[in-house]
Amino acid sequence: DGGITQSPKYLFRKEGQNVTLSCEQNLNHDAMYWYRQDPGQGLRLIYYSQIVNDFQKGDIAEGYSVSREKKESFPLTVTSAQKNPTAFYLCASMRQGASATEAFFGQGTRLTVV
Amino acid sequence: QQQVKQSPQSLIVQKGGISIINCAYENTAFDYFPWYQQFPGKGPALLIAIRPDVSEKKEGRFTISFNKSAKQFSLHIMDSQPGDSATYFCAASKVPSGSRLTFGEGTQLTVNP
Repeated sequence: DGGITQSPKYLFRKEGQNVTLSCEQNLNHDAMYWYRQDPGQGLRLIYYSQIVNDFQKGDIAEGYSVSREKKESFPLTVTSAQKNPTAFYLCASMRQGASATEAFFGQGTRLTVV
Repeated sequence: QQQVKQSPQSLIVQKGGISIINCAYENTAFDYFPWYQQFPGKGPALLIAIRPDVSEKKEGRFTISFNKSAKQFSLHIMDSQPGDSATYFCAASKVPSGSRLTFGEGTQLTVNP
């Protein structure tokens, strides 16, 4: 089955702790994205990567870090510098054609600070 | 930030009614306008999309209307069903540059039986 796999589904973080969210894809897409979803605020872009070993900050990158060492993997680290990390995190890869751009999303990781 | 504004934030309709969600964009370079549907606890999935060379696109009960001069587009769900209850996001991008999708704030649709 082709798709985006995010893990874990639920994650609890203590104050001052870094946590890493996993995202793997087997769709052979070059581009991968991390979004944060909060009620009433839509999907806000954290980081994105158009190619291996390269990534760019999105609109709310502060307190987050990423790596893109393999085409299939795009992990997101939520650092202790992120003051309000409780949210639903979505990873996506994108099929970019001549006339359309389709995002394929994972099932999400719900992060809660305890 | 290139914005896409979406309204309403929430919408309640009766079974069999028409659901209408509106979006407005600012960047005239956008040339691809998809709608995504998200069920609770799941990731969004592409529902329907339109390019600005047409004013309307219909797929089953779902229709996108596009007004290029007003920089607005809308999703119409005909004969709304309880199974349509979900959060809907509009989005915009420019193809084929590979640029990011810019999403609206989302609309939580509830269809009462």
